[in-house]
Amino acid sequence: SAVISQKPSRDICQRGTSLTIQCQVDSQVTMMFWYRQQPGQSLTLIATANQGSEATYESGFVIDKFPISRPNLTFSTLTVSNMSPEDSSIYLCSVGHLANYGYTFGSGTRLTVV
Amino acid sequence: AQSVTQPDIHITVSEGASLELRCNYSYGATPYLFWYVQSPGQGLQLLLKYFSGDTLVQGIKGFEAEFKRSQSSFNLRKPSVHWSDAAEYFCAVGARKIQGAQKLVFGQGTRLTINP
Repeated sequence: SAVISQKPSRDICQRGTSLTIQCQVDSQVTMMFWYRQQPGQSLTLIATANQGSEATYESGFVIDKFPISRPNLTFSTLTVSNMSPEDSSIYLCSVGHLANYGYTFGSGTRLTVV
Repeated sequence: AQSVTQPDIHITVSEGASLELRCNYSYGATPYLFWYVQSPGQGLQLLLKYFSGDTLVQGIKGFEAEFKRSQSSFNLRKPSVHWSDAAEYFCAVGARKIQGAQKLVFGQGTRLTINP
């Protein structure tokens, strides 16, 4: 299965600033997914990122707040913009595999906004 | 739309005891079903998955799950738990399509505590 390198692993940020999270995959994948896990909660899909097209955002998430880039088939970034304490969460990227229908997750970015 | 319910928010079992974590899903067709485990401060690790075929699925770490279409369930079981099994467990469902990976919808999670 694919190996995902996600960074940073954690960060503490000031409110009003932005943080960009990177996700690097060791193989080419069609779709990449970005999830948010708020403290003590389950995972919620933010958006799906396809290479060469605009990301598709889930209800409640907007591009201005969570801009996503997908410049090639192995890399994606998620930016959390104009952060507030409510954005404190774990953010995870994920890829799906056509070959064996598995989904692999990165180790996550634990974000604390102060 | 897909949805997943994990009725038990927190379960405590003794080491060596058997375990069953419940998962019910809602989806109009035959779904992809997954169980993931998340240890404190860690990412998600796939325990097992069901796509088709045998409804009893074997996974890693001695876990198994059974798909029951009539009950829309995919419960996770382990005959004898170890202290290292203490973690958060998530059931997830994915839409089935001919091609292309689809998003996962996760349940709320069940936190497993192991008593020595």
